[in-house]
Amino acid sequence: GESVGLHLPTLSVQEGDNSIINCAYSNSASDYFIWYKQESGKGPQFIIDIRSNMDKRQGQRVTVLLNKTVKHLSLQIAATQPGDSAVYFCAERTGNQFYFGTGTSLTVIP
Amino acid sequence: GAVVSQHPSRVICKSGTSVKIECRSLDFQATTMFWYRQFPKQSLMLMATSNEGSKATYEQGVEKDKFLINHASLTLSTLTVTSAHPEDSSFYICSARGGGGRRGGLDTQYFGPGTRLTVL
Repeated sequence: GESVGLHLPTLSVQEGDNSIINCAYSNSASDYFIWYKQESGKGPQFIIDIRSNMDKRQGQRVTVLLNKTVKHLSLQIAATQPGDSAVYFCAERTGNQFYFGTGTSLTVIP
Repeated sequence: GAVVSQHPSRVICKSGTSVKIECRSLDFQATTMFWYRQFPKQSLMLMATSNEGSKATYEQGVEKDKFLINHASLTLSTLTVTSAHPEDSSFYICSARGGGGRRGGLDTQYFGPGTRLTVL
């Protein structure tokens, strides 16, 4: 299958700082990308998505950046809060298939 | 946003019994539903893909006779773990594809809250 990997398995940030979570994907034909947040014991929650014809999309406190040249996706969380502590993983769509990354565990230090 | 529910959220059963888990898309029609299994601190493992009205497509290594999937309507899919054993204990998560444009595109996957299965 396709590989969607994350550069860092864990990330710790101080409350109030900005967080950046990275994801590398391998298939240049992927046309749609999603970031999910998964809290312990819960199902993944959709955060934000981006199509391949865009390079940036903003949501509430979150921004996704897509660099198709180097096949890199990032999630930026502004003013990180304790409630942001979770595992974040990216997903890419290639054709009719979705492929998920392994996840980065974000810990927010009060 | 699009909501997917699962029932039950937690189940404990004796070895040898069968357990049914329901996955419902509450505010949209899902032509495709997915079933995943997740072990602690690990990523999602796709078990099967089910399309409404047709047989599920199972991933390699997943026993179709053990994990029965039924997708009878555009809003409901069920996973039945037959003759459950302790090694089947896991977190089972479903997702549904679709959802319209309010959050995410038409082809976004929305996940249910998961079902924790413990087989004694």
